[in-house]
Amino acid sequence: NAGVTQTPKFQVLKTGQSMTLQCAQDMNHEYMSWYRQDPGMGLRLIHYSVGAGITDQGEVPNGYNVSRSTTEDFPLRLLSAAPSQTSVYFCASSTNGQGGYYGYTFGSGTRLTVV
Amino acid sequence: AQTVTQSQPEMSVQEAETVTLSCTYDTSENNYYLFWYKQPPSRQMILVIRQEAYKQQNATENRFSVNFQKAAKSFSLKISDSQLGDTAMYFCAFMKHGAGGKLIFGQGTELSVKP
Repeated sequence: NAGVTQTPKFQVLKTGQSMTLQCAQDMNHEYMSWYRQDPGMGLRLIHYSVGAGITDQGEVPNGYNVSRSTTEDFPLRLLSAAPSQTSVYFCASSTNGQGGYYGYTFGSGTRLTVV
Repeated sequence: AQTVTQSQPEMSVQEAETVTLSCTYDTSENNYYLFWYKQPPSRQMILVIRQEAYKQQNATENRFSVNFQKAAKSFSLKISDSQLGDTAMYFCAFMKHGAGGKLIFGQGTELSVKP
């Protein structure tokens, strides 16, 4: 059981370049989210999805796009990278179990540097 | 909007001693979940403990326990018999019931366990 798989683990981009961070989960979770982690600011929600075909914006969505064509995959696209997007990015998935909601399973993160 | 505040950016504790990390939150909701996550230097996010707001009993997981004060909107984490492996960043998180996996995180507390 792989859980949540994020690729790549590290990436350096030049300002203005675009790229896609990949996220896949094999647990049949309906909820998936992308967070960014910056020092002193905790984790901030970028975009989230409650199921295939349904996405919504989080706290810091500007400069990012997402789509959810399948339950398993939730890629995050950086449209035109800026130095302010230098961060660690986490993908996470979750579901409602019999006893309620049990929190996220996280991927291992992507450290992105924009120069 | 809900907010989560961790007022202790850094803490330290001697091995085998007990430490308490603070978390307060602001919400008008009555039904919600609270979580503590641990992030060791490996960067992996690990769920430590979970609390459902409608349950009066404080959650415990081995050496980890919480003090949930719903009226005061406080959710502190107590680590007993601290171990070197407890050295990590700890995040408090909130999710209102039915929010589709949309967790809101605090800024984090960096805990160092000293030998």
